[in-house]
Amino acid sequence: AQTVTQSQPEMSVQEAETVTLSCTYDTSESDYYLFWYKQPPSRQMILVIRQEAYKQQNATENRFSVNFQKAAKSFSLKISDSQLGDAAMYFCAYRIRGATNKLIFGTGTLLAVQP
Amino acid sequence: NAGVTQTPKFQVLKTGQSMTLQCAQDMNHEYMSWYRQDPGMGLRLIHYSVGAGITDQGEVPNGYNVSRSTTEDFPLRLLSAAPSQTSVYFCASSYSARTGVYEQYFGPGTRLTVT
Repeated sequence: AQTVTQSQPEMSVQEAETVTLSCTYDTSESDYYLFWYKQPPSRQMILVIRQEAYKQQNATENRFSVNFQKAAKSFSLKISDSQLGDAAMYFCAYRIRGATNKLIFGTGTLLAVQP
Repeated sequence: NAGVTQTPKFQVLKTGQSMTLQCAQDMNHEYMSWYRQDPGMGLRLIHYSVGAGITDQGEVPNGYNVSRSTTEDFPLRLLSAAPSQTSVYFCASSYSARTGVYEQYFGPGTRLTVT
């Protein structure tokens, strides 16, 4: 069975500093996608970044970047220059190619940003 | 575009009552899904649809029914509510053959409490 594990229930970072959120996953598939979603107190799920498993290059979106280690089945999210608006719950998610609407989520990491 | 809309935002039910959570999208997406979010468990897939008239079960389908008579709407029905169905429910849509977009877009969620 495919599973996604986030081992850090809570993290804290100082404003302007860098923080890394961890995610590991278990799958026997070779072609899949990985995602990080942000859920602020408004409850809205916001896609932060996406990584295709067949791409060796790590995805980046402005201050957000990932460290994708396919052999280790690891997919961490790095937030640089943290801002107060980054405070939220962050979910790691996985799906296989073709299963467009069947995401498997981790349990989330609650990120606090200290001024 | 309004994106994915869900009604109601909040609902309180008594055990045994029935209700329908509404979900609509105006992006002409073929795929739609329902997830539930419980504390400490992330989001779990309830039911999904790959097009009008086609639905299938996800990870936690028991106690829920769905139908998809139009591309735009994907209601979730609770026939006899139970306290274990207290949760936040998210609807999502994805995939457009016209635009090639595969990302899931989430609605704002419905917080349901069953007493």
